[in-house]
Amino acid sequence: AQSVTQLDSQVPVFEEAPVELRCNYSSSVSVYLFWYVQYPNQGLQLLLKYLSGSTLVKGINGFEAEFNKSQTSFHLRKPSVHISDTAEYFCAVGPYNTDKLIFGTGTRLQVFP
Amino acid sequence: DGGITQSPKYLFRKEGQNVTLSCEQNLNHDAMYWYRQDPGQGLRLIYYSQIVNDFQKGDIAEGYSVSREKKESFPLTVTSAQKNPTAFYLCASKSAYEQYFGPGTRLTVT
Repeated sequence: AQSVTQLDSQVPVFEEAPVELRCNYSSSVSVYLFWYVQYPNQGLQLLLKYLSGSTLVKGINGFEAEFNKSQTSFHLRKPSVHISDTAEYFCAVGPYNTDKLIFGTGTRLQVFP
Repeated sequence: DGGITQSPKYLFRKEGQNVTLSCEQNLNHDAMYWYRQDPGQGLRLIYYSQIVNDFQKGDIAEGYSVSREKKESFPLTVTSAQKNPTAFYLCASKSAYEQYFGPGTRLTVT
């Protein structure tokens, strides 16, 4: 079985500050890793994904994430956030042997001026 | 423009009524999914379909039903047996690795 833990339900940060949203997972099989963003009352949009290869993955809107296999983590980072980054962020894993995704419970990023 | 459409965006129903949520995609994807989203609980899988005329239950299928008669369409019916139907419902389809989401339907049952 697989599970995803997003350690922080809310992360407040000031504009132009760096941010890290944490994601840890548990799986008995190899997985693909994803981060999605959701703006209020909208669907989810893919920020970035790790399939294989380089463990540092760059995504849209200046976000990046690093896959750490030994720590089973896939933390999301941005060096300088904007007000427009205020949203909910979901980490998800996709086991190799299934078409399903398992989602974390989400982290609400609140950027203050 | 390729994508997933869900209609309507907001839906209101009285308790005891069945209601059907629409999901259409023009991405030519085989696999489609329905999720339910409640505050603080992330996304929970209701049903998914990997091919036309076939579908499987997800983690919270009780009180829901689906059909997959066409590749492009995967409607979800919320039946009166669903005890707590008020939620935000998201439809998705899957390419080789990632899922693409529609804009969602917010269902309120009173």
